[in-house]
Amino acid sequence: DTAVSQTPKYLVTQMGNDKSIKCEQNLGHDTMYWYKQDSKKFLKIMFSYNNKELIINETVPNRFSPKSPDKAHLNLHINSLELGDSAVYFCASSQDEGLAVYNEQFFGPGTRLTVL
Amino acid sequence: EDQVTQSPEALRLQEGESSSLNCSYTVSGLRGLFWYRQDPGKGPEFLFTLYSAGEEKEKERLKATLTKKESFLHITAPKPEDSATYLCAVLVMDSSYKLIFGSGTRLLVRP
Repeated sequence: DTAVSQTPKYLVTQMGNDKSIKCEQNLGHDTMYWYKQDSKKFLKIMFSYNNKELIINETVPNRFSPKSPDKAHLNLHINSLELGDSAVYFCASSQDEGLAVYNEQFFGPGTRLTVL
Repeated sequence: EDQVTQSPEALRLQEGESSSLNCSYTVSGLRGLFWYRQDPGKGPEFLFTLYSAGEEKEKERLKATLTKKESFLHITAPKPEDSATYLCAVLVMDSSYKLIFGSGTRLLVRP
C-alpha cells in the first residue's frame, strides 16, 4: 500500500500551458505539503495545508495554487508554465499530533516536471 | 539570513569505513533539526528528529548528534545499501514556522 502517491510521475509540457499534479495520502494525516526540488537538489517548501486550510504559503509565484478537495488530497495547479518551473515536485504529509511541523513527514515519489 | 550548509557534498567510502556527515546552520529560533535519506528517483525518507543541543539518536548504523551550531550524522561500518543522499532540515520560528533544507550529502559506499 502506497502511503503518499503522486500522479503523474513525469510531466513534459510547453511554456505557457496550465497543468496539475495530484497527490493522495492514505495515512489519515491532517497536514499535507508541496515541495520543489531544483537541479541542485535543494528542497524548498511551497505550501502546507491543514484540514483544508493553508497554513504556510512560502514566497512562490501566484501561478501556483494548491487545491485540497478533502484532507486526503492536495493537488498543485500551475498556470502559465515557465522554463524555471522545471523541477521535481514532492508531496508530503504529517500527523497533526502536537504541531504538525514538528513531526516527521512522509514523502511521495515525486513528479518530474519539464517545461520546454 | 537563515542558512543550512551540508558537507561534504559527496563522500565515497569503502564498506566498513566509518565516517561523519555535517550539517551546520546559522538560524535564529531553532525549533528542531531533521535528517532524511533520499534514494535516487524517490522522495526523502525520515530518519531522525533532534530538538536540543546534546541530544543524540541512533538507528542501526546511524547516529545523529546536535550542538548549538551543527549536527553530525555518524555512519558506523557502512554497507553499500547505505548509499543515498542524506538531507538535513532545520525548523525555525520567527514570525512563522519555516523548514529549511540543506542541499544534501551524496554518500556512495563501495563493497
